Amino acid sequence: AQSVTQLGSHVSVSEGALVLLRCNYSSSVPPYLFWYVQYPNQGLQLLLKYTSAATLVKGINGFEAEFKKSETSFHLTKPSAHMSDAAEYFCAVSDPYGNKLVFGAGTILRVKS
Amino acid sequence: DAGITQSPRYKITETGRQVTLMCHQTWSHSYMFWYRQDLGHGLRLIYYSAAADITDKGEVPDGYVVSRSKTENFPLTLESATRSQTSVYFCASTSVPGETQYFGPGTRLLVL
Repeated sequence: AQSVTQLGSHVSVSEGALVLLRCNYSSSVPPYLFWYVQYPNQGLQLLLKYTSAATLVKGINGFEAEFKKSETSFHLTKPSAHMSDAAEYFCAVSDPYGNKLVFGAGTILRVKS
Repeated sequence: DAGITQSPRYKITETGRQVTLMCHQTWSHSYMFWYRQDLGHGLRLIYYSAAADITDKGEVPDGYVVSRSKTENFPLTLESATRSQTSVYFCASTSVPGETQYFGPGTRLLVL
C-alpha cells in the first residue's frame, strides 16, 4: 500500500531562515505528489504539485519542492521563512490507480521572530 | 457562492446519536471525498465517490455511511456516534482522479 512519511512533526525556524520540510513516499510507480498547507481552523490549500513535467516544482508563496526518484523524496523548501508561513504542512501522494490521495501525518512549522 | 462548503461547521452530539455532515460543491466535480483529521494521523480517507450513486470505502470506513444521489452533494452519516469519532471532518472534490483535491473548511465534531 502507498505510504507517506513526513520526518518531524514539528519544525521551528527563525524568520528569514531556510525552511526544509521532509517527505518520503513509497511507490513502485512514479506518482503525483502534492504539498498542502493548512492554516489554523481552515481547510487544506494546495501549495504545489509534481506531475512528472519537471523535477523541481515551484509553488505559491515562494515554496518549491524537488522530486528525487532515487531517494523517493519530495522535500519542501523556502529560502527565507516569513511569520505568515507558520502553519501545518501535509505531503500527499496519489495511489497507483490515481483514485485517491494518501497523506502524511503533517509537519507543524513554527516561525520565530 | 462557488466552491465547496460544509455544514455544520461545529457540532456537539452525544454517544449513540445519528449525525449527518453535509458537503456541497458547485464545480460539478465527479470525485468527492471524506477525510477525518486527528492529531498524529494526518488525514485519513473515510469514503470517496467517483460519481453519483458510486461510492467506495477508504481507510477508515467503519461506523460511517455515505450516499451520493446528486453530483454536487456528498453527505456523511455517523449512524451511532462514538467518542472515537470526535474529530475534524473534511470534504474534498476533484474533476480528475489522483489530481489536485479542493477542500472544504471542515466540520469540528465533538461526541460526548
